[in-house]
Amino acid sequence: GESVGLHLPTLSVQEGDNSIINCAYSNSASDYFIWYKQESGKGPQFIIDIRSNMDKRQGQRVTVLLNKTVKHLSLQIAATQPGDSAVYFCAEEVAHGNQFYFGTGTSLTVIP
Amino acid sequence: DAGITQSPRHKVTETGTPVTLRCHQTENHRYMYWYRQDPGHGLRLIHYSYGVKDTDKGEVSDGYSVSRSKTEDFLLTLESATSSQTSVYFCAISDQVGQPQHFGDGTRLSIL
Repeated sequence: GESVGLHLPTLSVQEGDNSIINCAYSNSASDYFIWYKQESGKGPQFIIDIRSNMDKRQGQRVTVLLNKTVKHLSLQIAATQPGDSAVYFCAEEVAHGNQFYFGTGTSLTVIP
Repeated sequence: DAGITQSPRHKVTETGTPVTLRCHQTENHRYMYWYRQDPGHGLRLIHYSYGVKDTDKGEVSDGYSVSRSKTEDFLLTLESATSSQTSVYFCAISDQVGQPQHFGDGTRLSIL
């Protein structure tokens, strides 16, 4: 089956620095992607999404970049804060019925 | 948070017993999903529903059944629980295809 993977399982950054979390996807036909944040003991929380007709989308302190040529997705978090510490994972919509494949996640730790 | 309630939040049971997990939503969303989350794996789809009484299998459906008799409730049943079904189970909802899924806070199920 098709799957979404992440380049790094863990990432540590200093408070105030920018964070970049990467994701590779395998289905060139996928046209919708989502980033989620998951804190310990909680369910995944939607952060930002992007469709394949865009290569960049910005939210509040977050930016998602999509490179369809190399099938790569990244999440940039500006001025990372301690509250950003969590597991982040990407998801790609792959089938009818709004089905997604999810990556295994990158654990982000923010050092005060 | 999206109006999604999962119950119970924690359960410990023995091999061979039946188990039913409940997902209740107050958003009137059409699509509902059951996932399991295990270390080293991304979220994996068990079953999903695209309307009342309309369900379909996901990637890891063996040993699980579901029912959706009302828009707001989606039940996941393990007919005869096995230790390999020890996991954290998440329910998700979405309004339509091409929209993000929103998750509940999960049920931690341990089968001894």
